[in-house]
Amino acid sequence: NAGVTQTPKFRVLKTGQSMTLLCAQDMNHEYMYWYRQDPGMGLRLIHYSVGEGTTAKGEVPDGYNVSRLKKQNFLLGLESAAPSQTSVYFCASSSLGQGAVEKLFFGSGTQLSVL
Amino acid sequence: GESVGLHLPTLSVQEGDNSIINCAYSNSASDYFIWYKQESGKGPQFIIDIRSNMDKRQGQRVTVLLNKTVKHLSLQIAATQPGDSAVYFCAENTYSGAGSYQLTFGKGTKLSVIP
Repeated sequence: NAGVTQTPKFRVLKTGQSMTLLCAQDMNHEYMYWYRQDPGMGLRLIHYSVGEGTTAKGEVPDGYNVSRLKKQNFLLGLESAAPSQTSVYFCASSSLGQGAVEKLFFGSGTQLSVL
Repeated sequence: GESVGLHLPTLSVQEGDNSIINCAYSNSASDYFIWYKQESGKGPQFIIDIRSNMDKRQGQRVTVLLNKTVKHLSLQIAATQPGDSAVYFCAENTYSGAGSYQLTFGKGTKLSVIP
């Protein structure tokens, strides 16, 4: 069972470069999320999607863009990377929204370093 | 804003002993609480959840206690095993208006099991 798959697992960027993180889920979940995890900060929501073709801002959306062209995929883009975006990024999905009693399924994360 | 916090950032426990991980929350409107386990290099995994109308919920070797009077949540792990070594996060779910909810994660407690 694949669950939630993130690619790549590691990436090093120079300041100003762009990149896209890919998240794919095979559980037919409607809801997908992108979080970042920083030491001592816990998980913070960047953007989320409640269904194909929809996206919404989370707690820390600045500097990121997302797209949900297909139900199973949720892309996170950095147009001009900054050192402050050095973090571990996690994608998650759920069959119901966070308001319902439903657990999130997380990917294994992407370690991004911006030099 | 409201936030979820943890009393102890690190916890070392002898194998076979019981572990107790604590979490304080400040939003009395939160109606749902979740504990996640994150092993090194992996994404968070759901452990157990509890609704605000409950005081206690038990799973396999784990028990979550909720004290709404003092806004305190705890995770008890019975007969702690080396495989329990991980970072544990509590999260609270709060209705944020207009039909949307917000899941707020704590900063995490690292549990180390001594063989």
